[in-house]
Amino acid sequence: NAGVMQNPRHLVRRRGQEARLRCSPMKGHSHVYWYRQLPEEGLKFMVYLQKENIIDESGMPKERFSAEFPKEGPSILRIQQVVRGDSAAYFCASSPQGSNQPQHFGDGTRLSIL
Amino acid sequence: EDQVTQSPEALRLQEGESSSLNCSYTVSGLRGLFWYRQDPGKGPEFLFTLYSAGEEKEKERLKATLTKKESFLHITAPKPEDSATYLCAVFQETSGSRLTFGEGTQLTVNP
Repeated sequence: NAGVMQNPRHLVRRRGQEARLRCSPMKGHSHVYWYRQLPEEGLKFMVYLQKENIIDESGMPKERFSAEFPKEGPSILRIQQVVRGDSAAYFCASSPQGSNQPQHFGDGTRLSIL
Repeated sequence: EDQVTQSPEALRLQEGESSSLNCSYTVSGLRGLFWYRQDPGKGPEFLFTLYSAGEEKEKERLKATLTKKESFLHITAPKPEDSATYLCAVFQETSGSRLTFGEGTQLTVNP
């Protein structure tokens, strides 16, 4: 019974490049959430998606960041023209329903910007 | 402003020395409080959900309780393998489906 799968686990990019982070939710889960953990800071919500729909993107920077959860395949968090400040751990979580059900997390993608 | 505050930031215990971690919140319309454990290099691992004041949940050496203003995670006779960062997060009526996390308590249990 696989948990939330994220890849890659580590990603190194140079300033100005694009970063693509992937997340496959737990089996039977159709709700996906992305959080960011900056060094020495807590987890911060970025975006909440269901299949083919963005439900809440209020925590996501307006510029350069986008997310999708297509009908087939994993959810993707895309960061264009990365900057040093994007260096962080990005975590994906999933739940079978939205609302106040527990969210189960993957082990994250550590993004480093050179 | 809605806030979730965890204390202490760090806690060192000897094996077998029981203690409690605190999570206080100033949010409106609380609909659930979650406790997670996070090991270095890993994602948060779900432990408990508490939905209403007075509720308690237990799992092995851990017991979580909830009041109208705070939650406690009690650790009874801890072992070195309980060493981790413990996170609490709240779910509010007004926050859609997002969780608002505290910054965690880093627990170290020495043998």
